[in-house]
Amino acid sequence: QAVLTQPASLSASPGASASLTCTLRSGINVGTYNIYWYQQKPGSPPQYLLRYKSDSDKQQGSGVPSRFSGSKDASANAGILLISGLQSEDEADYYCLIWHSSVYWVFGGGTKLTVL
Amino acid sequence: QLQLQESGPGLVKPSATLSLTCTVSGGSISSGSYYWGWIRQPPGEGLEWIGTIYYSGSTFHNPSLKSRVTISVDTSKNQFSLRLSSVTAADTAVYYCARHPAAGRTVGSYYGMDVWGQGTTVTVSS
Repeated sequence: QAVLTQPASLSASPGASASLTCTLRSGINVGTYNIYWYQQKPGSPPQYLLRYKSDSDKQQGSGVPSRFSGSKDASANAGILLISGLQSEDEADYYCLIWHSSVYWVFGGGTKLTVL
Repeated sequence: QLQLQESGPGLVKPSATLSLTCTVSGGSISSGSYYWGWIRQPPGEGLEWIGTIYYSGSTFHNPSLKSRVTISVDTSKNQFSLRLSSVTAADTAVYYCARHPAAGRTVGSYYGMDVWGQGTTVTVSS
């Protein structure tokens, strides 16, 4: 079982909100981890969006709009990237990242977000 | 503004050693406030962390690649480098260098990547 699991794809309409999930493997408690989120558009490097551990311990990437925000769903053992007011330019691949003692840095497989 | 630029051969023969360099501009690699990492992305696939180095030379490697990876730093040139030995077609990827902010004074305590280079494509083929 992968350390981090992301749905392969997600579609949402312009102006709506999109909730991208990053589910941690059973036995790895999401509550203790920083969850990092990156946006990658075709032909470009990943761009750092934010880090989220809790509402009191989080960081927005430089220049990243506030409509990108992080949270956690403890019941699902998942980190969440919420994008509100979707725009066509938000269409991209999104990756989550954590540091885990057994593998150090590990990325999720990525979610392709389509805005249509 | 900090910038990172990868450089190195775009084509490497199977069983050879891949060598890449990341040049840091707009900031000092020796500042102690950051760690410096390598990440790769095979064509059409996701991201894989390769390893990270501190200016002091302390290194951290992906366990799945550790036996083949060497990461080094040259503070005089403001560069850090990656060597990956015994390459195969599976090592074909875009290779990125990136910055990790330090999370305190303890060596090995640092955050995820916040600034990335543009990436360089490496193809392993005879």
